[in-house]
Amino acid sequence: GQQVMQIPQYQHVQEGEDFTTYCNSSTTLSNIQWYKQRPGGHPVFLIQLVKSGEVKKQKRLTFQFGEAKKNSSLHITATQTTDVGTYFCAGASGGGADGLTFGKGTHLIIQP
Amino acid sequence: NAGVTQTPKFQVLKTGQSMTLQCAQDMNHNSMYWYRQDPGMGLRLIYYSASEGTTDKGEVPNGYNVSRLNKREFSLRLESAAPSQTSVYFCASSELETGFAYEQYFGPGTRLTVT
Repeated sequence: GQQVMQIPQYQHVQEGEDFTTYCNSSTTLSNIQWYKQRPGGHPVFLIQLVKSGEVKKQKRLTFQFGEAKKNSSLHITATQTTDVGTYFCAGASGGGADGLTFGKGTHLIIQP
Repeated sequence: NAGVTQTPKFQVLKTGQSMTLQCAQDMNHNSMYWYRQDPGMGLRLIYYSASEGTTDKGEVPNGYNVSRLNKREFSLRLESAAPSQTSVYFCASSELETGFAYEQYFGPGTRLTVT
């Protein structure tokens, strides 16, 4: 079945440093989504990418979808303490009603 | 709109006990999902329901059953709880279109401990 790998598992940064998490799928995706989960909370949708090579920005967050639609990245510029949490990518192959396959997430820990 | 609601928020069970986790959504979504989240394992799909009246197994269905009671409600039952089922359980809902996955809306979760 489809597998979605996400690295790194943990990332420690100083406040103000940049952060990037990477996502790779074993199969071509129809679309990819990114979610954020704050400590003790539930996953919250951030964005969806659909087109090959697509780049979207949300303030300090930049999301990219690879040309082959098998990989994606999330980059945060100048991290702030409010960015703490776990970031998940979730890929859809477009075939089934089971929706998304989630990566295991990247835990972002920020040291002030 | 309340979005996706789950009850209970916390539960402690003894091995062998049974319980049902409740989930309801008020967004008129067709699809609903149950996930479990364990440290280092991400979100794993237990069961899903593409529409009212249908349910299907996900990645880790053993030890669980589900019921799609109506379009709004999707419950998860543990018939005989085991310590390996200690986890955080999330319900989610989304729209469904053939060939396209829409964003999923998650409930606040149920933190279950089986002793």
